[in-house]
Amino acid sequence: DQQVKQNSPSLSVQEGRISILNCDYTNSMFDYFLWYKKYPAEGPTFLISISSIKDKNEDGRFTVFLNKSAKHLSLHIVPSQPGDSAVYFCAARGSISGNTPLVFGKGTRLSVIA
Amino acid sequence: GAVVSQHPSWVICKSGTSVKIECRSLDFQATTMFWYRQFPKQSLMLMATSNEGSKATYEQGVEKDKFLINHASLTLSTLTVTSAHPEDSSFYICSARTPGLAGGPLREQFFGPGTRLTVL
Repeated sequence: DQQVKQNSPSLSVQEGRISILNCDYTNSMFDYFLWYKKYPAEGPTFLISISSIKDKNEDGRFTVFLNKSAKHLSLHIVPSQPGDSAVYFCAARGSISGNTPLVFGKGTRLSVIA
Repeated sequence: GAVVSQHPSWVICKSGTSVKIECRSLDFQATTMFWYRQFPKQSLMLMATSNEGSKATYEQGVEKDKFLINHASLTLSTLTVTSAHPEDSSFYICSARTPGLAGGPLREQFFGPGTRLTVL
């Protein structure tokens, strides 16, 4: 049973436009969510996170939105750049203290076309 | 951010041999490290949680005797794939968790670059 779902395996966006990556979760105990970016043959790198007490967190071109009632979060990248092309993983855990390991979605491959 | 290294970055071995993968936290002490495995086009699947000085906690379906984990120090955890078979070929990624921040509970996981294991 997959607790974190990224239903779009891939997404193509033109350079300069907005990229929206979606993530759904089923476990209502999750209260901390993260987005990671991963290039081939490399480990994931942390992008941005949000706790369940917030509905939005912004960091430069990256904004994460959380809709707790819908158990849905999204990552917005604007403007998208070719260097943003990578696989993006949504992750969640059940404790902001970090005592539980991350649960990952399957990832969405973003391609930003120049 | 904190730096986590893995060695080797890739390894090819014959079926039946054992392979050791090292994970090091370079600029912080990690009381907890995690080992993940990723098959092509799949998610990162947690294999085990490794706590310094104690036995690792394995996820359901992961064979303890096949994937030996040793977390002997606060900066080093090793994963040994024993008697490797072609189906063990995968991308293995470790992650180290930073200590809790003073005044705040948040602890982040930082990932190593991964190790590509190919078993012939």
